[in-house]
Amino acid sequence: DQQVKQNSPSLSVQEGRISILNCDYTNSMFDYFLWYKKYPAEGPTFLISISSIKDKNEDGRFTVFLNKSAKHLSLHIVPSQPGDSAVYFCAAIALSGTASKLTFGTGTRLQVTL
Amino acid sequence: DAGVTQSPTHLIKTRGQQVTLRCSPKSGHDTVSWYQQALGQGPQFIFQYYEEEERQRGNFPDRFSGHQFPNYSSELNVNALLLGDSALYLCASSRVSNYGYTFGSGTRLTVV
Repeated sequence: DQQVKQNSPSLSVQEGRISILNCDYTNSMFDYFLWYKKYPAEGPTFLISISSIKDKNEDGRFTVFLNKSAKHLSLHIVPSQPGDSAVYFCAAIALSGTASKLTFGTGTRLQVTL
Repeated sequence: DAGVTQSPTHLIKTRGQQVTLRCSPKSGHDTVSWYQQALGQGPQFIFQYYEEEERQRGNFPDRFSGHQFPNYSSELNVNALLLGDSALYLCASSRVSNYGYTFGSGTRLTVV
């Protein structure tokens, strides 16, 4: 049962253009959403997050949008740079007592071309 | 400031053997979580430790066990290894009830 889904395994975008990565979820108990970036041979690195009480969060070139009614979130990267080429994971948290496990999607490989 | 440190980086084991993976959390972090990432998949939650106790567990069999030490470091043990246990094992640390997880680079386990 995949509670967090990233339906696009890969995405190719030209340098300078906008990259839009999408994520859907099924569990309405999720309180918090995060995006992680992963390079080969490294662990995931936190990018940006959003609480379920908000619909947008911005940090420099990265903006995350949350549509709770559609159970959908997206990550926008503007402008895209070659160094953004990596695998991006969407993750969600449902608080359970004092524990807070991350539920990840399967990832989208972004390639930013020159 | 050292981040999350995992050892070893790579490991090859034979089916049926047992393995222990180690994790030192980021300075100031007291909670350690373990994840398994199979090829082409997202990380899957195994369990989380806080105050030397398992707080939450994912959908993994009892062959997977763990421990947290008083200095917050942690071990992941897997018994009776199966070929399907081949994966990247990631450790993540955080402060309790804080969502600021820091991941290590992982241990690549290959079971042959």
